[in-house]
Amino acid sequence: KAGVTQTPRYLIKTRGQQVTLSCSPISGHRSVSWYQQTPGQGLQFLFEYFSETQRNKGNFPGRFSGRQFSNSRSEMNVSTLELGDSALYLCASSLGDRDKNIQYFGAGTRLSVL
Amino acid sequence: GNSVTQMEGPVTLSEEAFLTINCTYTATGYPSLFWYVQYPGEGLQLLLKATKADDKGSNKGFEATYRKETTSFHLEKGSVQVSDSAVYFCALLYNNNDMRFGAGTRLTVKP
Repeated sequence: KAGVTQTPRYLIKTRGQQVTLSCSPISGHRSVSWYQQTPGQGLQFLFEYFSETQRNKGNFPGRFSGRQFSNSRSEMNVSTLELGDSALYLCASSLGDRDKNIQYFGAGTRLSVL
Repeated sequence: GNSVTQMEGPVTLSEEAFLTINCTYTATGYPSLFWYVQYPGEGLQLLLKATKADDKGSNKGFEATYRKETTSFHLEKGSVQVSDSAVYFCALLYNNNDMRFGAGTRLTVKP
């Protein structure tokens, strides 16, 4: 079974631009969660989607948004990029059911904002 | 609220040394507890888990026991190898989808 796939692996953008990251979950997984990882803040939860609906949201500004498609693939969008948005963005998928919610992570997309 | 506190690193050990990375949690109710490992340039990989009190998770020589009385889930390995060098994250899952991670502990094992 293929793992969680994130594309692209690396991105370089400039301030003010917008970016879209993609995540393909493990087949059969209906939940996709997004995290931002930085050396200073560690792993911070962005949001979780389940069956095309945002089920949970972390404490990030509205510039960070996401969506999930009917095939469970998810995208995350960041608008008006700031230097502080430079980070490794990790996606995790899970079955999404109670007691079966072990999260499996992709390799991440490393975003650099110049 | 729910949270995880883990031992700050970095931790540097010689090969075959004993490893302990401390992790304590704060949560209402009965969360599931996890250890994840992150190798350089990769995402997080699930290392082991425990879903109820007194459960012991184990994998690749690593062990952790869910201790409700001390709200702890310390990671241990009897003899570390160079290939164990990575960042280790303790995490809890509460109420199906509230996942919280510790800050991570960087382990370096020297030959």
